[in-house]
Amino acid sequence: DQQVKQNSPSLSVQEGRISILNCDYTNSMFDYFLWYKKYPAEGPTFLISISSIKDKNEDGRFTVFLNKSAKHLSLHIVPSQPGDSAVYFCAASTVYNNNDMRFGAGTRLTVKP
Amino acid sequence: GAVVSQHPSRVICKSGTSVKIECRSLDFQATTMFWYRQFPKQSLMLMATSNEGSKATYEQGVEKDKFLINHASLTLSTLTVTSAHPEDSSFYICSALGQGGYSNQPQHFGDGTRLSIL
Repeated sequence: DQQVKQNSPSLSVQEGRISILNCDYTNSMFDYFLWYKKYPAEGPTFLISISSIKDKNEDGRFTVFLNKSAKHLSLHIVPSQPGDSAVYFCAASTVYNNNDMRFGAGTRLTVKP
Repeated sequence: GAVVSQHPSRVICKSGTSVKIECRSLDFQATTMFWYRQFPKQSLMLMATSNEGSKATYEQGVEKDKFLINHASLTLSTLTVTSAHPEDSSFYICSALGQGGYSNQPQHFGDGTRLSIL
């Protein structure tokens, strides 16, 4: 039962352009969403999060958008840089039970110079 | 801040060996630690949740006697894969939550352990 889905296994963009990574979820109880970035042979690093009371959260080049009605969130990176090349995981949980965090399968982003 | 150290980073051993993996929170006290397993090109799958001083809570389908978890202090949790077999070969990752409760805080991950059973 995959409650968090990242349907694009990979994405390639040119340096300086926008990267848009998408994530869909099925459990309407989820109210806290996160994006993690993972380099090879390393653990995931927390990038940005959003709670369901918001529809947008911005941190520098990274913006997460949440569409609760569509059960969809996206991560925008602009401008993209070669150092952003990594696997990005979307995760979701409930605010009162962070134990139950579910991860998507990840999207490998490649930013070409 | 919020650094989690996981050791060892890679283990190669013979079938039947027991392997212990350590997960430490270096600059904060972790009331809750999580153990995940990741197969190639797949998502992180939660195996168990451990709270300091109490028994771990295992996800459905995870064998408690196979994957022993100990969370003896606020900075250390260990996962022991007992009598490991080739099918246990995988990437194991731990994460930790601080003492701020569950509300709106991310889990912080270690760098993972690549376990290869010959």
